[in-house]
Amino acid sequence: QQQVKQSPQSLIVQKGGISIINCAYENTAFDYFPWYQQFPGKGPALLIAIRPDVSEKKEGRFTISFNKSAKQFSLHIMDSQPGDSATYFCAASGGQTSGSRLTFGEGTQLTVNP
Amino acid sequence: ETGVTQSPTHLIKTRGQQVTLRCSSQSGHNTVSWYQQALGQGPQFIFQYYREEENGRGNFPPRFSGLQFPNYSSELNVNALELDDSALYLCASSLVGVDTEAFFGQGTRLTVV
Repeated sequence: QQQVKQSPQSLIVQKGGISIINCAYENTAFDYFPWYQQFPGKGPALLIAIRPDVSEKKEGRFTISFNKSAKQFSLHIMDSQPGDSATYFCAASGGQTSGSRLTFGEGTQLTVNP
Repeated sequence: ETGVTQSPTHLIKTRGQQVTLRCSSQSGHNTVSWYQQALGQGPQFIFQYYREEENGRGNFPPRFSGLQFPNYSSELNVNALELDDSALYLCASSLVGVDTEAFFGQGTRLTVV
């Protein structure tokens, strides 16, 4: 059962543009929502994470928007750069061991053209 | 760098063989999780170990097994390898608690031929 659905599958933006990736979840027990960035041949690296008690979290050029009632969350990358070209995964978890028992989305391959 | 190291980085095995993958957790972390990432897909949770005991398993058969050692390093063992086991195997370490983050190693690329 796919519990976290991610879209789009691929995304192409111009340098300086805004990249937006969306995720929707089903399990209302989820209470931790991280985003990971993965380059080819590397493991996923944590970018930014949010909990449902806030609707938005910003770290540098990366912002998570969270809509608890709609069970949706999104990643916004402002001023996108060619170095941001990678695969991005949303994820979700819940419970005492929150953080390391993650359900991942299917990934979005982002390409930022110079 | 996350401080989580995995070995080997690449491995080729024959169908039916057994394989052991290793992970060294980040210092201070007491929980390790293993994930399987098929090409072009998101990581899938295999199982998690906390205090040397299995603490949750995903939808993987018993031929996938693991160990966690007192120093919090871990092994993933896969018996009777199948072609579909070809994937990137990822280890993630974390510290049980609120707002804990999971840090991934670089993975082991397993190819079954």
